[in-house]
Amino acid sequence: DAMVIQNPRYQVTQFGKPVTLSCSQTLNHNVMYWYQQKSSQAPKLLFHYYDKDFNNEADTPDNFQSRRPNTSFCFLDIRSPGLGDAAMYLCATSKDPGETQYFGPGTRLLVL
Amino acid sequence: DQQVKQNSPSLSVQEGRISILNCDYTNSMFDYFLWYKKYPAEGPTFLISISSIKDKNEDGRFTVFLNKSAKHLSLHIVPSQPGDSAVYFCAASGDAGNMLTFGGGTRLMVKP
Repeated sequence: DAMVIQNPRYQVTQFGKPVTLSCSQTLNHNVMYWYQQKSSQAPKLLFHYYDKDFNNEADTPDNFQSRRPNTSFCFLDIRSPGLGDAAMYLCATSKDPGETQYFGPGTRLLVL
Repeated sequence: DQQVKQNSPSLSVQEGRISILNCDYTNSMFDYFLWYKKYPAEGPTFLISISSIKDKNEDGRFTVFLNKSAKHLSLHIVPSQPGDSAVYFCAASGDAGNMLTFGGGTRLMVKP
């Protein structure tokens, strides 16, 4: 089945220790998104790639970076995680901007 | 400024009855609306969508109604089942950039 896959599902890291979360998709969608979701809040868009074009949300901290080496994969790098970065990180894809987004299962990040 | 609002944080319904989840928006540029369902520790799952050229879209037990003049949409689930218990997010797109704007979510509990 075509899908969005996130690894790992749970990630524990230490305060200040860089961590990378990964996302892959078999949908061949052009757009890949990274969201941060805390508690029962709405998902907050961090950035997205439209093909190779990177689009950063204005309020996304510099601590968060992303890479998309090819159509299928997208990575979220947190350079120096703080306690406030503990959250669920969701990857999503859509065929084109504005179309329905399909989410992966998420990676829950715990910062010790 | 929240452009998409779900004013009821939670809703409790008896199995077999109708569940009505509401969503209000303020941005008149939005022209595509979606509902997502989210179980704990999982990513949101796309449920149903509606374009602004329609006022109703139905898919099995799920119907979404759009009232453009009131800037209001609702999701009806009938009959409700215990497996429908989850957090439901409405989302909208159509303004510049075509990114999704999410509401804060409504937790639905369907009691057997």
